[in-house]
Amino acid sequence: EAQVTQNPRYLITVTGKKLTVTCSQNMNHEYMSWYRQDPGLGLRQIYYSMNVEVTDKGDVPEGYKVSRKEKRNFPLILESPSPNQTSLYFCASRLKLGSNEQFFGPGTRLTVL
Amino acid sequence: GESVGLHLPTLSVQEGDNSIINCAYSNSASDYFIWYKQESGKGPQFIIDIRSNMDKRQGQRVTVLLNKTVKHLSLQIAATQPGDSAVYFCAASDTGRRALTFGSGTRLQVQP
Repeated sequence: EAQVTQNPRYLITVTGKKLTVTCSQNMNHEYMSWYRQDPGLGLRQIYYSMNVEVTDKGDVPEGYKVSRKEKRNFPLILESPSPNQTSLYFCASRLKLGSNEQFFGPGTRLTVL
Repeated sequence: GESVGLHLPTLSVQEGDNSIINCAYSNSASDYFIWYKQESGKGPQFIIDIRSNMDKRQGQRVTVLLNKTVKHLSLQIAATQPGDSAVYFCAASDTGRRALTFGSGTRLQVQP
């Protein structure tokens, strides 16, 4: 089944404790991105990657890191999480830069205490 | 930068009626406009897109209208069904389609 998977789905952590949210897609998509979703703000793009080893900042990159060492994986790293990073996070992929149909993962709900 | 907003946070319709969800955008240079549906507990799902040089595009039970003069687009859902209950987002794609800017969403409630 073609899909985007994220792990963990739920995470409660404390301020300053490094964490990684994994994202993987099995559709051989070139383009992957991370969003956060907050009430009243819709989805805001954190980082995106147009291909392996090519990443760029989205609208809200502060406090986040990403890497794209393999085509299928695009982990989101929070080196020192803070409470304002409590949010619902979505990973997404699309075939290539020119494609509009974007496939989203199921989401990761992160709480930083 | 681009900003995208939806007109109503919540829209309630009767089953079988047509639904119209509205969206406004600010950047005339946006390349594409896309509608997504997000059901409770799930990630957004692509519905339909429209290129900026088009006025109308139809899909299965859905129609998107684009009015570039007033920077407005709408999603029309025909014969709304309970399964259409969800939050609907419009998004604008920047030139080069590197990034999407999403609106805040409209929750569609379908009353039986």
